[in-house]
Amino acid sequence: TQLLEQSPQFLSIQEGENLTVYCNSSSVFSSLQWYRQEPGEGPVLLVTVVTGGEVKKLKRLTFQFGDARKDSSLHITAAQPGDTGLYLCAGAGGGSNYKLTFGKGTLLTVNP
Amino acid sequence: NAGVMQNPRHLVRRRGQEARLRCSPMKGHSHVYWYRQLPEEGLKFMVYLQKENIIDESGMPKERFSAEFPKEGPSILRIQQVVRGDSAAYFCASSLGTGLNTEAFFGQGTRLTVV
Repeated sequence: TQLLEQSPQFLSIQEGENLTVYCNSSSVFSSLQWYRQEPGEGPVLLVTVVTGGEVKKLKRLTFQFGDARKDSSLHITAAQPGDTGLYLCAGAGGGSNYKLTFGKGTLLTVNP
Repeated sequence: NAGVMQNPRHLVRRRGQEARLRCSPMKGHSHVYWYRQLPEEGLKFMVYLQKENIIDESGMPKERFSAEFPKEGPSILRIQQVVRGDSAAYFCASSLGTGLNTEAFFGQGTRLTVV
């Protein structure tokens, strides 16, 4: 069974601060996706990383896929209150690219 | 291009009743997935369907739960004789294919409350 551990579980910071959230597993994934979910809504896809060591940037968000494709990180620079939400990582692999294994998420609160 | 549409957004059922959750995938998407999100838990895969076919139902409870994706119309997740433990948010996702870089797009979910 593939598992994804996300840390920290909760994070509360002030506007303008930087932060990093982590997604770790003992399993290898063929791809990894990051989603953001707001209360009462569905997850919204932010990025997909496929290649080990890959780095993708989305404005103030930087996503990295570990060399061994077992872990990933999301770094946010100069966080804003609009970044508040639940950040989820999800891995595909184990012979079935369609079946996503989700972490429990990091709940980020950015205070003005 | 509308996204994945789920309805109803909220559903309240008494114990023993049936719950029907509907999902219309994004235009052009023929692959549909259902996930369940229990309180304090991550999303868990339930079932993967293509038109008229169940491809993988390894995440579905063995009893009371069924899913379909008919040739015409939305995908339906059906829960018979609901119990309190079925209370959760149920999300549908769709994709164009299942290749390595395929992206799944999620609907807003149906929040089922069993009273």
